[in-house]
Parts: sequence; C-alpha cells; structure tokens
Amino acid sequence: KAGVTQTPRYLIKTRGQQVTLSCSPISGHRSVSWYQQTPGQGLQFLFEYFSETQRNKGNFPGRFSGRQFSNSRSEMNVSTLELGDSALYLCASSWSGTDAEQYFGPGTRLTVT
Amino acid sequence: AQSVTQLGSHVSVSEGALVLLRCNYSSSVPPYLFWYVQYPNQGLQLLLKYTTGATLVKGINGFEAEFKKSETSFHLTKPSAHMSDAAEYFCAVSPPGGSNYKLTFGKGTLLTVNP
Repeated sequence: KAGVTQTPRYLIKTRGQQVTLSCSPISGHRSVSWYQQTPGQGLQFLFEYFSETQRNKGNFPGRFSGRQFSNSRSEMNVSTLELGDSALYLCASSWSGTDAEQYFGPGTRLTVT
Repeated sequence: AQSVTQLGSHVSVSEGALVLLRCNYSSSVPPYLFWYVQYPNQGLQLLLKYTTGATLVKGINGFEAEFKKSETSFHLTKPSAHMSDAAEYFCAVSPPGGSNYKLTFGKGTLLTVNP
C-alpha cells in the first residue's frame, strides 16, 4: 500500500507570493491533518479535514487555508508569504481521525526569501 | 490547554547503552499518548501509542514506554541503543476523547548514538 505523498518536496518562494501544497493520503483514509514544523515552534497543528469538511483548526492566521477533495486528497494554501512561514509542512492521514493511527508524509520544505 | 514537555533537547548515549527519553504532559484528563521518530529529511513514524489498558506499551524497534498517571509521564526507553536509533524523537498527546487528528507535540529530543 502506498504511503502518504506530498508534493512538491521542496519549494522556494518570495515574500508576498502565495503557495499551494498537496497531500495524497493512503488509499481509504478519509482524514487528512496538516502540521507546520519549525526549529523555534516545533510541530504545530494547522487543520484537519474529513470528508471534505474542516473539523478542527489550529491557531494560525487566515492566510493559511486548506481544502479536501472528494478523493480525500488535500491542499493547503498560504497567501502573502512571510519569512516566518519557512518551515517543513507535514500532512498526516488516517482512516477516520478519531482513535486511529496517523501516517505522516515526508513533508514539503518551504523556504521563503 | 494540553502541553507536552520533553526534558533534554539532546541526549547522547553509547551504542549498547540504555536509552531513556523523558516526556511529561499536562491534561485534566489522561489523554492518548504517542511517541514518534523522525529521521533526517523524512516525516514522522509512529513508534508506539498508549490509549487505554496496559500501561507498559511496546513499540517497534525494541522501544517501549510506560504511562504513569500519578507522574503524568510517558518516558520512552530502549535497553540497548543501536547506531540506527540516531534520530529526533517526539512525544505527543491527543485531546481527551481520543481525537487523534489534533496532536500536541513536545519540542523533540535529538538522540545521538556514539560508537
């Protein structure tokens, strides 16, 4: 069974631009969560989607948004990029999101210059 | 709000020595607890988890952890370190009720294994 895939793996953007990251969950998984990992703040929860609905959201500004498609693939978008948005963005999938093990993808390394 | 504290951002052991990585949590109700490992340029891999039942949990690669409610701890141990164990380890908790999609992570402990 294929694991969680994230594209692209590496990305360099300029301040003020916007970016879209993609996550394909494990086949059959309906829950996708997104996390931001930085050296200073560590791993922080961004949001989670289940069956195309956002069920929970972390404490991030509105510049961070996401969506999930009917095939459970998910995208997250960051608008008006700031230098502080440079991070490893991880997505995780699980069957239902509740009482289920999360499987993490390799992440997308975003660098904002 | 829940929080997780990992004591020691960097732990160094010799190959064959005991590995002990410490994790304490704060929660009004015992949460679900997890240990993840992250190798360079990779995502997180689940080592083990505690939900309910037996407080001593065995995971992959010879790791185990014990849930101690009275101490609000969930320390990770391995009797004998191997070079391949060198990685960063994260302790995480999920909100009461087991909503695993929203994990709160500790800051991580980087484990170095010396030959």
